[in-house]
Amino acid sequence: GENVEQHPSTLSVQEGDSAVIKCTYSDSASNYFPWYKQELGKRPQLIIDIRSNVGEKKDQRIAVTLNKTAKHFSLHITETQPEDSAVYFCAASGGGADGLTFGKGTHLIIQP
Amino acid sequence: DAGVIQSPRHEVTEMGQEVTLRCKPISGHDYLFWYRQTMMRGLELLIYFNNNVPIDDSGMPEDRFSAKMPNASFSTLKIQPSEPRDSAVYFCASSLSGPGGGNYGYTFGSGTRLTVV
Repeated sequence: GENVEQHPSTLSVQEGDSAVIKCTYSDSASNYFPWYKQELGKRPQLIIDIRSNVGEKKDQRIAVTLNKTAKHFSLHITETQPEDSAVYFCAASGGGADGLTFGKGTHLIIQP
Repeated sequence: DAGVIQSPRHEVTEMGQEVTLRCKPISGHDYLFWYRQTMMRGLELLIYFNNNVPIDDSGMPEDRFSAKMPNASFSTLKIQPSEPRDSAVYFCASSLSGPGGGNYGYTFGSGTRLTVV
């Protein structure tokens, strides 16, 4: 089955700086890669996703890049703000498996 | 749409008791997933349904766990008998089939925090 590795487990950045979270996946047939943000005690919420026929996608301060050859994808957050502090999860699915396989999460801390 | 609705939000039960968690997916979504979240193991897929039919239950930890989806708007996850190691947050999620296969628009419910004492 699919295996998703996520790094780093904790990331602390100064407010206004950029943050990058990286994930790798094992199943070359995977074709859908969403990112979720989870605040303490709340549900994971989809913030951006990308399909395997696209290399990059942007939504305001958030962008995701995908390298299918290397089987890795990354989340980029620019001009970080205090409300960006949360746990971020990457996930992968497809290739005959419809359920998402999640990474272990990255705790993003925005320092004032 | 009210989103994915789960009940109860919190459940505290004694070891050995039966626990039933409930989920109402987003209307029109044809996939329903049950996930479990713990600090140690993160988010784990337990089982999922497509058009009310269980497709993959390989993530169900053992026979004490069972799930049903009697119709397109309701699903249950049952644990009988419950054990302390079942304590976790259980999330339900639903999604739509995508063109050309796969699915998208995964939306999670608020979760049920289960504590087994």
